[in-house]
Amino acid sequence: QSVLTQPPSVSGAPGQRVTISCTGSSSNIGAGYDVHWYQQLPGTAPKLLIYGNSNRPSGVPDRFSGSKSGASASLAITGLQAEDEADYYCQSYDISLYVFGTGTKVTVL
Amino acid sequence: QVQLQESGPGLVKPSQTLSLTCTVSGGSISSGGYYWSWIRQHPGKGLEWIGYIHYSGSTDYNPSLRSRVIISVDTSKNQFSLKLSSVTAADTAVFYCARTTYYYANSAFRYFDLWGRGTLLTVSS
Repeated sequence: QSVLTQPPSVSGAPGQRVTISCTGSSSNIGAGYDVHWYQQLPGTAPKLLIYGNSNRPSGVPDRFSGSKSGASASLAITGLQAEDEADYYCQSYDISLYVFGTGTKVTVL
Repeated sequence: QVQLQESGPGLVKPSQTLSLTCTVSGGSISSGGYYWSWIRQHPGKGLEWIGYIHYSGSTDYNPSLRSRVIISVDTSKNQFSLKLSSVTAADTAVFYCARTTYYYANSAFRYFDLWGRGTLLTVSS
């Protein structure tokens, strides 16, 4: 069972802004460990979306942004597009292992 | 650019040892700044980190799997491998290999910046 909790699903119309939360605890995010985000399109491998809480790798659109506060983190997608429909996972570190969030399915209405 | 490709048997019998290999192309596995991880995803479920290895041979494993896992590296072939012993149906999953970048010496600050396509491994008699 994952120690990082995400909402199972979020949805929005094209062009809207959606946010995905990632809630941890004092042994992971709250301990000061960074949060990273991955996008998994249907039937494909995860892809790094955000690293170090708020940094985008080259090639990731600036529609994606990340933030962290206390024991939680958030991923925001602005100007939602049909191609953003995917599963999203947060990842951090917790007492000697790397942990992923429960995952959030983003649906574009 | 660097690419990772998993290879394995696809089907393993219960109690046997699962063996998977990840071949790195377009770059050297011995280049600094990276560890090389195995991550799995049970059908329809989330992601689970299994462990990683540095080209020097240094390893770290998920405590819940440590007793059954061995990760090794062959720098001459630019490959790293996973062995998971005493498998059961609960080990059926898609297995990914992933390049793991570290940006501080503290092992907590690492992320998976490049992934293979994944390979489905089914445990069944």
